[in-house]
Amino acid sequence: AQKITQTQPGMFVQEKEAVTLDCTYDTSDPSYGLFWYKQPSSGEMIFLIYQGSYDQQNATEGRYSLNFQKARKSANLVISASQLGDSAMYFCAMRGNSGGSNYKLTFGKGTLLTVNP
Amino acid sequence: DGGITQSPKYLFRKEGQNVTLSCEQNLNHDAMYWYRQDPGQGLRLIYYSQIVNDFQKGDIAEGYSVSREKKESFPLTVTSAQKNPTAFYLCASTVQGMRTGELFFGEGSRLTVL
Repeated sequence: AQKITQTQPGMFVQEKEAVTLDCTYDTSDPSYGLFWYKQPSSGEMIFLIYQGSYDQQNATEGRYSLNFQKARKSANLVISASQLGDSAMYFCAMRGNSGGSNYKLTFGKGTLLTVNP
Repeated sequence: DGGITQSPKYLFRKEGQNVTLSCEQNLNHDAMYWYRQDPGQGLRLIYYSQIVNDFQKGDIAEGYSVSREKKESFPLTVTSAQKNPTAFYLCASTVQGMRTGELFFGEGSRLTVL
């Protein structure tokens, strides 16, 4: 079974500052993928970034980077230079790459990020 | 433009009625999914389908049914057996075999049972 834990129900950050959203995971799959999604108040889910368990480098996509620490089973999202439009719910998710867990994403409960002007 | 279309966006129903939520995609994706989201909760998987005419139960399938007669379509029926159907429902799809395999989501359907 796979499990995602996001321990921060809500986070506040000042505009233009960086913020880290925490995510820890648990899985027995030797190979897996980790994802971050953004959900604005409108409800759609926007894919932000992906990290494969065997990727040598931490993933980056523009202002988003993933701080992947495999031994600690953590995959924290770092947003640099926060903007007002970053205010949203953020979900961490994972997918195992073997057997019945393939292609299914398991989600955490999310962190509500508020960017203050 | 390619994407996933869910309808209706908002739906009100009386208790005891079956409700069908539509999900259509023109991305030529093989796999499709239905997730349920409750306030303060993450997304929980209801059903998924990897090919036409085949689907599997997710973590919370009780009280729901699906069909996959066409690659583009994956409707979800919320039956009267679902004890607490009021929720936000999200449909998603993906290309199997892609390295990242991220899900592409529709805009969601918000169901309220009165």
